[in-house]
Amino acid sequence: AQKITQTQPGMFVQEKEAVTLDCTYDTSDPSYGLFWYKQPSSGEMIFLIYQGSYDQQNATEGRYSLNFQKARKSANLVISASQLGDSAMYFCAMREGTSYGKLTFGQGTILTVHP
Amino acid sequence: DVKVTQSSRYLVKRTGEKVFLECVQDMDHENMFWYRQDPGLGLRLIYFSYDVKMKEKGDIPEGYSVSREKKERFSLILESASTNQTSMYLCASRPRLATQPQHFGDGTRLSIL
Repeated sequence: AQKITQTQPGMFVQEKEAVTLDCTYDTSDPSYGLFWYKQPSSGEMIFLIYQGSYDQQNATEGRYSLNFQKARKSANLVISASQLGDSAMYFCAMREGTSYGKLTFGQGTILTVHP
Repeated sequence: DVKVTQSSRYLVKRTGEKVFLECVQDMDHENMFWYRQDPGLGLRLIYFSYDVKMKEKGDIPEGYSVSREKKERFSLILESASTNQTSMYLCASRPRLATQPQHFGDGTRLSIL
């Protein structure tokens, strides 16, 4: 079974609007962490935001926020006020327990921002 | 800023060759990782290392080996390259603290002809 599922292969958004990228996960470990990365066409992986399973509040980093719904096992990334530079591939990833920090990645979502 | 450097951005090799991909990090991180990225499959973990000379298999270790003789350097070795190993290879490092993110290199696009 997939541990991380991103059901949206591609998403489109108008510049300055908000967009939500979906991520669901599957784990029986009570201690885990969820990460979002951005990969522009140039190929580098850029860390965006982190949510720990015991964190009481949803994580936020500038225009990025994480809509963490633990009971539903979802960790959706919300990008507010989209910019043309947000066009990229976005990956959700999970770390279970301490597990040396190994990450399991989803398939990714390609986001295209239209002017 | 953390810097993870992969030795080549693009590499072309022939079937049956022994291929070395090198990765160096400059932040004294304990943990290092090798992934391959294929369209529609995301990133899949090949091997990781949590200390010098220590290594653990990831999800897809077949056909690969690794070496970590020094803390800053983690090498991926394709013992006998095959065409199905044509892919993007990404190296990452991370400090010991589990809540910290992994930092990635720019990737090596490897083609096996």
